[in-house]
Amino acid sequence: DAGVIQSPRHEVTEMGQEVTLRCKPISGHDYLFWYRQTMMRGLELLIYFNNNVPIDDSGMPEDRFSAKMPNASFSTLKIQPSEPRDSAVYFCASIGARNTEAFFGQGTRLTVV
Amino acid sequence: AQRVTQPEKLLSVFKGAPVELKCNYSYSGSPELFWYVQYSRQRLQLLLRHISRESIKGFTADLNKGETSFHLKKPFAQEEDSAMYYCALSRVGTDKLIFGTGTRLQVFP
Repeated sequence: DAGVIQSPRHEVTEMGQEVTLRCKPISGHDYLFWYRQTMMRGLELLIYFNNNVPIDDSGMPEDRFSAKMPNASFSTLKIQPSEPRDSAVYFCASIGARNTEAFFGQGTRLTVV
Repeated sequence: AQRVTQPEKLLSVFKGAPVELKCNYSYSGSPELFWYVQYSRQRLQLLLRHISRESIKGFTADLNKGETSFHLKKPFAQEEDSAMYYCALSRVGTDKLIFGTGTRLQVFP
């Protein structure tokens, strides 16, 4: 397995544009997490899924953020419209079973200008 | 609410010096504590977890429920230990995994 795969690796967009980040978890993993990494706040949990169902989205900062997991092998995080303060590295991680190791993707570095 | 606090953003030491990266948590139940590490240009990866009670790359961490702490320690730092370290908390019996703000460790030669 190639591990958790995220795309794109880098994204530069203009304020107001829609941004879609993609994640493919490790096959067979039941849990998928989206995190945002910034210098000030570290790794913030945005939302996580269990068996494709969103369990906790309390970390999603605003209605501009939405996430979906249409099947076990794919998830998206969408920001519409994007703002400069959304600039950060976004990580996706998957876990095979409760309270075990989380496997992270390489991250997507988002820059909103 | 669950919360993980890492008070130091940056810790700088010389090679061979002892290292202690602090982590405090707030949660009244039974926590699962982890340390994750991110080396330059690499993915964030698990370093160790309290339930394993093992030493990884010379690092150890002891869960102190009285002080609600899970500090990461190494007696003699190496240059290759330079990285970003995150403490993480999961509640036993649930799925939510939250992280602290991270501490960057710099080990100088």
